[in-house]
Amino acid sequence: GQQLNQSPQSMFIQEGEDVSMNCTSSSIFNTWLWYKQDPGEGPVLLIALYKAGELTSNGRLTAQFGITRKDSFLNISASIPSDVGIYFCAGPETSGSRLTFGEGTQLTVNP
Amino acid sequence: GAGVSQSPRYKVTKRGQDVALRCDPISGHVSLYWYRQALGQGPEFLTYFNYEAQQDKSGLPNDRFSAERPEGSISTLTIQRTEQRDSAMYRCASSFGPYNSPLHFGNGTRLTVT
Repeated sequence: GQQLNQSPQSMFIQEGEDVSMNCTSSSIFNTWLWYKQDPGEGPVLLIALYKAGELTSNGRLTAQFGITRKDSFLNISASIPSDVGIYFCAGPETSGSRLTFGEGTQLTVNP
Repeated sequence: GAGVSQSPRYKVTKRGQDVALRCDPISGHVSLYWYRQALGQGPEFLTYFNYEAQQDKSGLPNDRFSAERPEGSISTLTIQRTEQRDSAMYRCASSFGPYNSPLHFGNGTRLTVT
């Protein structure tokens, strides 16, 4: 199946800093999704991207669908302690609707 | 209910026993997915259903794993003759439709095989 590579694996930042993380694939994806997982809970969808080049915002979060369709970026501005968690990128396999997930970026925000 | 409900929340079983994990999706959601998540990794696809039909079971690791959704609502993931390597968090998700509909995840069942 297709694989998604996320970087960095982990980030330690101070409250108020901006954060950027990315996701790359060797295959083309037609949809990119970004999920956040809080400790002890399931992943929750943050942003969905459906078109190459698309830039979408959700509050302090901004995500972009790379023009090559092989990458996506997630930016968080003015981080706050509740941004702590694991951020996953995901995309549907070309053969159907099964979602492939990246391995996640663990974000820690120090107050 | 308001969200995807999974039970039990935790399951500890001895090697060789069978276990059944239950998922109650969001009411009205057509599609239901099972994923497995190891510590520090992203969810790994196991199988999914549209209504009661199992559409894709290619992610099931071997024939000890099976899933059903007989009435198109509640689903059960069964693992027979459990092994220690089966220990993981098993997550269920549901979506309104099969394509490009956001997945809503449950809080999972943490399975430990001793």
